[in-house]
Formats: sequence, structure tokens, C-alpha cells
Amino acid sequence: AQSVTQLDSHVSVSEGTPVLLRCNYSSSYSPSLFWYVQHPNKGLQLLLKYTSAATLVKGINGFEAEFKKSETSFHLTKPSAHMSDAAEYFCVVSDPGYSSASKIIFGSGTRLSIRP
Amino acid sequence: DAGITQSPRHKVTETGTPVTLRCHQTENHRYMYWYRQDPGHGLRLIHYSYGVKDTDKGEVSDGYSVSRSKTEDFLLTLESATSSQTSVYFCAIRPSGSSHNSPLHFGNGTRLTVT
Repeated sequence: AQSVTQLDSHVSVSEGTPVLLRCNYSSSYSPSLFWYVQHPNKGLQLLLKYTSAATLVKGINGFEAEFKKSETSFHLTKPSAHMSDAAEYFCVVSDPGYSSASKIIFGSGTRLSIRP
Repeated sequence: DAGITQSPRHKVTETGTPVTLRCHQTENHRYMYWYRQDPGHGLRLIHYSYGVKDTDKGEVSDGYSVSRSKTEDFLLTLESATSSQTSVYFCAIRPSGSSHNSPLHFGNGTRLTVT
């Protein structure tokens, strides 16, 4: 069965330090994986996507994620946190072979706080 | 900006009243979706559409109906609102159709409170 687990509901880091947001997935297929960011009172914005090409994916605002099939993980990282990174982050898995939307699964989200 | 407008942005309504939320897109995409967002649940699919008059249910469709009479508009109706439908509702489009590689693009949401 398809599932997504974001291992931390809340992460707090100091400005200028690295960010790690963890995501594990379960899929019977070769999935596509996405990270989205949501700032307060806004919609979700795509940060990056993995679609079976390079396993290290670079996204916007300095974020990147590495697809590790052996660990079924797709963790999001950033070398140096900025105050503007404070937001909610969602890991999403999308499987092939299904109807157009029935197998897009969202993680429950990780709230990232940045300390000055 | 994916050209998605949701209206209204905020609404307060009473239990038992009907409510319709509107999603309008400017880019003629075939696939449109309605999600609800609740703390601790991420986003959950309510209904989606793969063309004019073509819709299907998602995982949390009970109490909701949808209509799509034009490509650009996708309406979500709560026939008789309940307090459990207090949530933030997001509309999304999928520019590359049904491909699982294609990400969703979201509107800014409608915050609905049912009192």
C-alpha cells in the first residue's frame, strides 16, 4: 500500500544552520516524489520533484532532496536556514498506474521554525 | 502563478446551510482537484475532474458534490454544512494531465468555518 510518513511534526533550527526534514515512503511501484512548501495563509508551492532521473534533486530557494530507494526515503535538506524558510513542508508520493488523482498521497506535514 | 483563483477566500456559515466554493483557472487544463487540509492530516482528496462533466470521488467525498460545466470552473458544494467540514479547502490543477510525474499546482485556499 502507498503511504508517506514525515518523521517530525515540528523542526526548529537556528538561522544559518542546516535543515533536515525527513520523509519515508512506501510504494509498490516506481513513484514520483515531491516536496511542497506552504507559508501561512497561502497555497502549496512546489519546491522540487523526483521523477526517476537523478537521485539528487535540486529545488528552489537552495533546497535539495535525495531519493534513496534502499531506505525508501526522500529527505529534504538545506545547508543554511534563512528566516524566510519558516513554513510548513509536505512530502508527497505519486504512483503510476492509477487514475489521475486517486493515488497522490500527502504526508501530514512538518512545521519548520527558524530561531534568530 | 498557475492562474488559479478560489472564491470566496473566507466564509463563515451555519450548520445545515448549503455552501458552494468556486475554483477558476485561466489555462484550460483538463484535470482539476478539490482537497481539504486539516491539522495532522496533510491534504486529502475530496473530488476531482478529468474534463467537462467528468468527475470522480476522492477519499473524503461524503457530504460533498462537485460540478464542472466549463473547463475553467470547478465547483465544490457542501449540501448541508456540518461542523466537521470546517477546514481549509484547496483547488489544484495538474498541467500534464494524468501523468504521475506531473506535480499539482494549487490555489490559495478557502477557509470555511461552520458554526
